[in-house]
Amino acid sequence: AQSVTQPDIHITVSEGASLELRCNYSYGATPYLFWYVQSPGQGLQLLLKYFSGDTLVQGIKGFEAEFKRSQSSFNLRKPSVHWSDAAEYFCAVGRGGSQGNLIFGKGTKLSVKP
Amino acid sequence: EPEVTQTPSHQVTQMGQEVILRCVPISNHLYFYWYRQILGQKVEFLVSFYNNEISEKSEIFDDQFSVERPDGSNFTLKIRSTKLEDSAMYFCASSTGIADTQYFGPGTRLTVL
Repeated sequence: AQSVTQPDIHITVSEGASLELRCNYSYGATPYLFWYVQSPGQGLQLLLKYFSGDTLVQGIKGFEAEFKRSQSSFNLRKPSVHWSDAAEYFCAVGRGGSQGNLIFGKGTKLSVKP
Repeated sequence: EPEVTQTPSHQVTQMGQEVILRCVPISNHLYFYWYRQILGQKVEFLVSFYNNEISEKSEIFDDQFSVERPDGSNFTLKIRSTKLEDSAMYFCASSTGIADTQYFGPGTRLTVL
């Protein structure tokens, strides 16, 4: 069965430090991959997506992610974290074809220290 | 930029009552979805809808749930007889195609007492 694993439940980084949030997926074919961010009391905002092509994708707010097929990973990175990045981050897999539903990971909560 | 909207933002209901959650998807989108997120848990798929019929549903989406597109703009989720365990944030999403990016609304927080 398809699944998404985000091994880190909670991460705390200092403002200005670099960030990497991990995401591993289990899926038989090439997946569609997404990162969404959810600020407290808000909905899910798309940060970036990978469908095909260049395995390093750029997103909004200075985020990027790299698809590594050999490791079944799609880790999210940001070189310098801002206090406003504090939120919960969800990795998701879309199966495409005739099945459009997204499968989400459990999320990683990011706290930013001043 | 067009966005998905949802009303109400918060709904409180008594166990056993019917609730209808409303969504207005992005106007040129053809696929519509409902997801839910129980507090502290992952976002879970409920149902997808295309061409006025359900295209896929999860095991969560039992006979207590139904969806409808009553007019050209709204997309609703009805829970016939709410249970305590239905308390969650419900997200509506829409996309242009089945494999395209899904854009999410801000959610409706449902509290069942």
